Amino acid sequence: NSKVIQTPRYLVKGQGQKAKMRCIPEKGHPVVFWYQQNKNNEFKFLINFQNQEVLQQIDMTEKRFSAECPSNSPCSLEIQSSEAGDSALYLCASSRQGNQAPLFGEGTRLSVL
Amino acid sequence: GDSVTQTEGLVTLTKGLPVMLNCTYQTTYSPFLFWYVQHLNEAPKLLLKSSTDNKRTEHQGFYATLHKSSSSFHLQKSSVQLSDSALYFCALGTGGYKVVFGSGTRLLVSP
Repeated sequence: NSKVIQTPRYLVKGQGQKAKMRCIPEKGHPVVFWYQQNKNNEFKFLINFQNQEVLQQIDMTEKRFSAECPSNSPCSLEIQSSEAGDSALYLCASSRQGNQAPLFGEGTRLSVL
Repeated sequence: GDSVTQTEGLVTLTKGLPVMLNCTYQTTYSPFLFWYVQHLNEAPKLLLKSSTDNKRTEHQGFYATLHKSSSSFHLQKSSVQLSDSALYFCALGTGGYKVVFGSGTRLLVSP
């Protein structure tokens, strides 16, 4: 079965702590997306990669969020200093090309206390 | 910029009735439209996709037709089941490596 693997499924952090989550994209998918799904179920695009290169990212990502997709290692998204407003489901997705439907992982649910 | 609008936040229906969930989009590029379904505590899963104008696409009893003239890609099903209760997202890809999602419609099907 095709699959995007995200770990951990759940992450609990205190305010100001680092929070790191990982994603293994589907084999053969060079494009990786990170989305934040908030409590209202809205998707917010954070960043995307093609292979190891950042294609696009939003301002929020540039300031407190860092992400990378090294070759031969899982992709990762890290929040340097977690805030309560970061509590959300973080979804990783991958695709073969930019215009193809992304395949989603099950997400990492972050709770910032 | 590119955007997707889903007008209904919540749709409640009785089992066996037809449903249509609205989706319109805005883009200056050639559009690729997707419908995803997300059940509770699960990953969003692709339900339908299309980039061909006026061609109906179907999967698992759901169907949609991309109409570029009206920038729409409404999701329909002729008879909903209890298991169709979920969140449904319309999404737009433009080939620019960014996929934009609508705000989602929750479908609740009652017995």
